[in-house]
Amino acid sequence: QLQLQESGPGLVRPSETLSLTCTVSGGSISSSSHYWGWIRQPPGKGLEWIGSFYYSGSTYYNPSLRSRVTISVDTSNNEFSLKLSSVTAADTAFYYCARHREFQLVRCAFDLWGRGTLVTVSS
Amino acid sequence: DIVMTQSPDSLAVSLGERATINCKSSQSVLYSSNNRNYLAWYQQKPGQPPKLLISWASTRESGVPDRFSGSGSGTDFTLTISSLQAEDVAVYYCHQYYTNPPSFTFGGGTKVEIK
Repeated sequence: QLQLQESGPGLVRPSETLSLTCTVSGGSISSSSHYWGWIRQPPGKGLEWIGSFYYSGSTYYNPSLRSRVTISVDTSNNEFSLKLSSVTAADTAFYYCARHREFQLVRCAFDLWGRGTLVTVSS
Repeated sequence: DIVMTQSPDSLAVSLGERATINCKSSQSVLYSSNNRNYLAWYQQKPGQPPKLLISWASTRESGVPDRFSGSGSGTDFTLTISSLQAEDVAVYYCHQYYTNPPSFTFGGGTKVEIK
């Protein structure tokens, strides 16, 4: 059964870069023919899409975050990563990785989610 | 960006009664070429990630109880829980994935509680 697991530092200093990894188990990122994405949720608040990608190259970012976000994939380790630069307290949130539901389609729902990891931005 | 507005922010419903959650998009999410509404509903319980309930506005995910149903088209959508159960206490979110290139947005959430 496919599972996703986020990992990374729980505390990041203001102005630094947040770095998270999503490890996929029970299936291959490159052979699954799905898009994958990152979504975040400030504690007690709603959901915000960060970006999505396909293993062979297509990547899409939330326009409001595009200047600070990079999503990359490491197919050899079956994982993908999120980097968010110049963080502030407003970037404190639970960060989720997720899989898009449909084959080779980015414009679709997210059907599988990691459990999420809380990242706090504080000095 | 397409703004998704949910109502109400919260509602309390007696066990066995109907719960209705509304979601309105600032522009249509109906794609005319395939007649599909690019809208999903999720359920999120405390301490858990969101769970996909319904995609394409009305297609229920495998394993989701049939008391959950989605309806609507264009800009106005509804999630209905026909007979509320204790395990349905959660926050529910709508999500549009219409925008091309992608710029997905979510509604603000509706908290469902037991009266």
